[in-house]
Amino acid sequence: GENVEQHPSTLSVQEGDSAVIKCTYSDSASNYFPWYKQELGKRPQLIIDIRSNVGEKKDQRIAVTLNKTAKHFSLHITETQPEDSAVYFCAEDPEAAGNKLTFGGGTRVLVKP
Amino acid sequence: DGGITQSPKYLFRKEGQNVTLSCEQNLNHDAMYWYRQDPGQGLRLIYYSQIVNDFQKGDIAEGYSVSREKKESFPLTVTSAQKNPTAFYLCASSMRPLRSGNTIYFGEGSWLTVV
Repeated sequence: GENVEQHPSTLSVQEGDSAVIKCTYSDSASNYFPWYKQELGKRPQLIIDIRSNVGEKKDQRIAVTLNKTAKHFSLHITETQPEDSAVYFCAEDPEAAGNKLTFGGGTRVLVKP
Repeated sequence: DGGITQSPKYLFRKEGQNVTLSCEQNLNHDAMYWYRQDPGQGLRLIYYSQIVNDFQKGDIAEGYSVSREKKESFPLTVTSAQKNPTAFYLCASSMRPLRSGNTIYFGEGSWLTVV
């Protein structure tokens, strides 16, 4: 079945340090893995995504890595800044599920100045 | 993102009442979705529709109903059968199939509170 586990649930880092969030999934048919950032009381917004035929993708200070064999993918934020403080959600689109996203439980990231 | 409009932003429901949340998109997206978010929790799929006049139940459809009579509109009704409806409701839309550069975009959300 479809299931995405996300860890850690909370993450506190010092400004300038790196933050890493990891998600594992169960459906080997999954082929699309986006990451969303949600600020308090606002809508989730896409920050980066990756398809199963790519192992890594980078956009400035954020990167996502995918290990299809182990069925996990990770979000990496380098040189963290206070505005990176938010809740981050991973998601997957199982190929057999019909164009819908299943989300992880979220990680609350706090960047301390 | 600005092409998905949800209303109202805040809604109060009395016990036993049905309420309808509106969602309109002008992005010409085929698929539309409703997610529920409880405080400090992730997003759970209520219903989704991949095409006009068709929709499927998500993981927590009980106590909710939807319609998709027009491509741009996907209203959600929270019925009295939903015993714990207080939550943040997010409407979303996308083209098909989902892939890089073709993902799900969310509306601003609607806060529903039972009084």
